[in-house]
Amino acid sequence: SQTIHQWPATLVQPVGSPLSLECTVEGTSNPNLYWYRQAAGRGLQLLFYSVGIGQISSEVPQNLSASRPQDRQFILSSKKLLLSDSGFYLCAWSPGRTGRSYEQYFGPGTRLTVT
Amino acid sequence: QKEVEQDPGPLSVPEGAIVSLNCTYSNSAFQYFMWYRQYSRKGPELLMYTYSSGNKEDGRFTAQVDKSSKYISLFIRDSQPSDSATYLCAMVGGSYIPTFGRGTSLIVHP
Repeated sequence: SQTIHQWPATLVQPVGSPLSLECTVEGTSNPNLYWYRQAAGRGLQLLFYSVGIGQISSEVPQNLSASRPQDRQFILSSKKLLLSDSGFYLCAWSPGRTGRSYEQYFGPGTRLTVT
Repeated sequence: QKEVEQDPGPLSVPEGAIVSLNCTYSNSAFQYFMWYRQYSRKGPELLMYTYSSGNKEDGRFTAQVDKSSKYISLFIRDSQPSDSATYLCAMVGGSYIPTFGRGTSLIVHP
């Protein structure tokens, strides 16, 4: 069966510090991968998605970036965090190249607080 | 007008009640319709998905899609306190990027 991991689970970082969140998927190949941010009362905001290694599409221009160095690894980064970057970050995957990309499966999330 | 509208609630019901959760949408290109359940401080969990119009049943859950009215529903029968969560609808059209509603908070009290 497929499993998605995210770490860390919780993170408190000062303004201006760098960020690296990691997501890995097990039990599938060629997944589509997604990064979302969920702020209180604001729903899910898609940040980045990827259909393959090195292929990243950005939905929201901001100080965050994403990379996909391996097929089942997705990394969210920032060089300098802002207060507004606080939120609940969710990684998700969907079956790529199978016609079932409408099914998304989410990881447990990382709660980021920027102080 | 947002593409997907969902009442945030909270919706509070007694245990055993039938719950109706709804979303409306404006994009007629949407073809797949999903419902996710999200417990507090957890990632969303895919409950059900439906293609085009019609009903789909899974245990106590029934998903209903009315494309002519651009309206989808999730019914929960015999609701339990463990059903207390936020329920998000999501829809997909030609791309593989779903559009999510903001979620409805459901509270089932004993």
